[in-house]
Amino acid sequence: DIQMTQSPSSLSASVGDRVTITCRASQSINNYLNWYQQKPGKAPNLLIYAASNLQSGVPSRFSGSGSGTDFTLTISSLQPEDFATYYCQQSYNSFPITFGQGTRLEIK
Amino acid sequence: QVQLVESGGGVVQPGRSLRLSCEASRFTFSSYSMHWVRQVSGKGLEWVAVISSAGTVQYYADSVKGRFTISRDNSKNTLYLQMDSLRVEDTAVYYCAREPPAAHNHWYFDLWGRGTPVTVSS
Repeated sequence: DIQMTQSPSSLSASVGDRVTITCRASQSINNYLNWYQQKPGKAPNLLIYAASNLQSGVPSRFSGSGSGTDFTLTISSLQPEDFATYYCQQSYNSFPITFGQGTRLEIK
Repeated sequence: QVQLVESGGGVVQPGRSLRLSCEASRFTFSSYSMHWVRQVSGKGLEWVAVISSAGTVQYYADSVKGRFTISRDNSKNTLYLQMDSLRVEDTAVYYCAREPPAAHNHWYFDLWGRGTPVTVSS
């Protein structure tokens, strides 16, 4: 199975900050990488698919990049509603689909 | 509105069975592959199973293979997860999730239900 490792596991930041979360795959996954945001008690919400495509309705301050094994999710200017946990998910080649362990973004 | 609503969760003893349901509303259910994803309280996400739009193809995580069965009834707009031989480690919130046709094997989930909790305990 393809292992996904996110860094950092947790992060403290302030409103207005630029934040970057990294996801690394245990083998090349081309651009088969998706990002989700999850708030406490809620289901995950799709932010980015195929590494860099912004899901409809998601604010443009979110962006994704990367290919192969290394990917990033960037929030250009943190808003109060962005404090949540973020997960990457790979979907390369075959099942099983696997997720990163999550990055918890907290208010500084 | 467009939504998925899970039901059927609860408390069950190890070795027993449970069937989860996920009812879809206000979209063409039969056009979408559907997945189950679970989450242990306070932990990360684990993909469980997928079924194709017509219900003809299924895949499972190794952790549930041979014990869980995913199925669907497109006439009822409903997805199911039959869970047999339940283990303590199956305790989690179970989400159903929709994979859009445009995903083209990128297998991402653009709509999730709110989840149904399953507790396996003696």
